[in-house]
Amino acid sequence: QVQLVQSGAEVKKPGASVKVSCKASGYTFVRYGISWVRQAPGQGLEWMGWISVYNGNTNYAQKLQGRVTMTTDTSTSTAYLELTSLRSDDTAVYYCARAPTTELDFWGQGTLVTVSS
Amino acid sequence: QSVLTQPPSVSGAPGQRVTISCTGSSSNIGAGYDVHWYQQLPGTAPKLLINGNNNRPSGVPDRFSGPKSGTSASLAITGLQAEDEADYYCQSYDSSLSAWVFGGGTKLTVL
Repeated sequence: QVQLVQSGAEVKKPGASVKVSCKASGYTFVRYGISWVRQAPGQGLEWMGWISVYNGNTNYAQKLQGRVTMTTDTSTSTAYLELTSLRSDDTAVYYCARAPTTELDFWGQGTLVTVSS
Repeated sequence: QSVLTQPPSVSGAPGQRVTISCTGSSSNIGAGYDVHWYQQLPGTAPKLLINGNNNRPSGVPDRFSGPKSGTSASLAITGLQAEDEADYYCQSYDSSLSAWVFGGGTKLTVL
């Protein structure tokens, strides 16, 4: 069965960087894109960006341009999200999700990133 | 402020029918991009509920439907059950932003 398993919770200081991993199993990794979505405490879902696992093409949300990098490692079927220059409003649960086309059909369990001094 | 507009909350009694609206514009829903719906139970990851304009993934009961018309879409839930109490989000693609966009979410309360 399709599974996306994310890395554990992180606590970071303002200005630091964080890298979250998302290990896929149960399907052919290169055939689907991966999107990242975050959810601040008590708030709605915010799309962060998408990466084509096949060729590495990316599409990032405009507000995160310059701070976000999405990559994949096809040898381990793992996707990565790196966010730099962290601020307190980056505190959120970060989700990876499989993207067959524009929908997100399977989601990881989420990774809580807390930014606090 | 979200690109797709949803009501913050809706409610209904068990067995009733409720609808959740999702209003977009000519650069997203009105441009013909698919609308998808997600259900998020408390403390869990979102789950795809309706895929590509009224298609239900395997395992989703037919009590859920998601028609689209013009620049809007809606999620209809019939035969409301206590287990349906959750947050619901619509999502599409916006060509002017070149971005995937979510609605602000709607909290469904089963009375």
